[in-house]
Amino acid sequence: QVQLVQSGAEVKKPGASVRVSCKASGYTFTSYYIHWVRQAPGQGLEWMGIINPSGGSTTYAQKFQGRVTMTRDTSTSTVYMELSSLRSEDTAVYYCARGYYDSRFWGQGTLVTVSS
Amino acid sequence: QSALTQPASVSGSPGQSITISCTGTSSDVGGYTYVSWYQQHPGKAPKLMIYDVSNRPSGVSNRFSGSKSGNTASLTISGLQAEDEADYYCSSYTSSSTRVFGGGTKLTVL
Repeated sequence: QVQLVQSGAEVKKPGASVRVSCKASGYTFTSYYIHWVRQAPGQGLEWMGIINPSGGSTTYAQKFQGRVTMTRDTSTSTVYMELSSLRSEDTAVYYCARGYYDSRFWGQGTLVTVSS
Repeated sequence: QSALTQPASVSGSPGQSITISCTGTSSDVGGYTYVSWYQQHPGKAPKLMIYDVSNRPSGVSNRFSGSKSGNTASLTISGLQAEDEADYYCSSYTSSSTRVFGGGTKLTVL
């Protein structure tokens, strides 16, 4: 069965970077794009970007350009999302999700807390 | 890219039907048939309910249906049940090859 398993919760200081992983299983890793979506406490879903695990190409939301980097490791079927220059407003649950126009499969979410 | 516009809340009684709207522009909702809807219960990951405007993934109740007219997409839930109480989000592909979500709608089953 398709599974996306994300890394555990993180606590970071303002100005630091965080890297969240998303390990895929149950399907051919390079056949499906992966999105990253975040949700601040009590807020809605916010799309961050998408990566093609096959060639590694990415498209980022304008809001995160220059601050987010999405990469993949085909040997371990893992996608990574790194967000730099963290500020308190980046405190959120970060999700990976499989698909292109829509996402049928989602990771369990990773809580990233930014606090001094 | 601005978020798609959804009502903050809707409510209905068990057995009734409700509709949630999602308004965008010709650069997203109006320009493509790639509108999807997600249901999210508290503390859970979103669940895909509708894709490509009006298609249901296997396993999703046929009480859920989607449509689109111009720049506005809609999700209709018929025969409301207590378990339908959740947050609902629309999403669309955009002309920049990005995606955009709506602000979310809280559905209360009275």
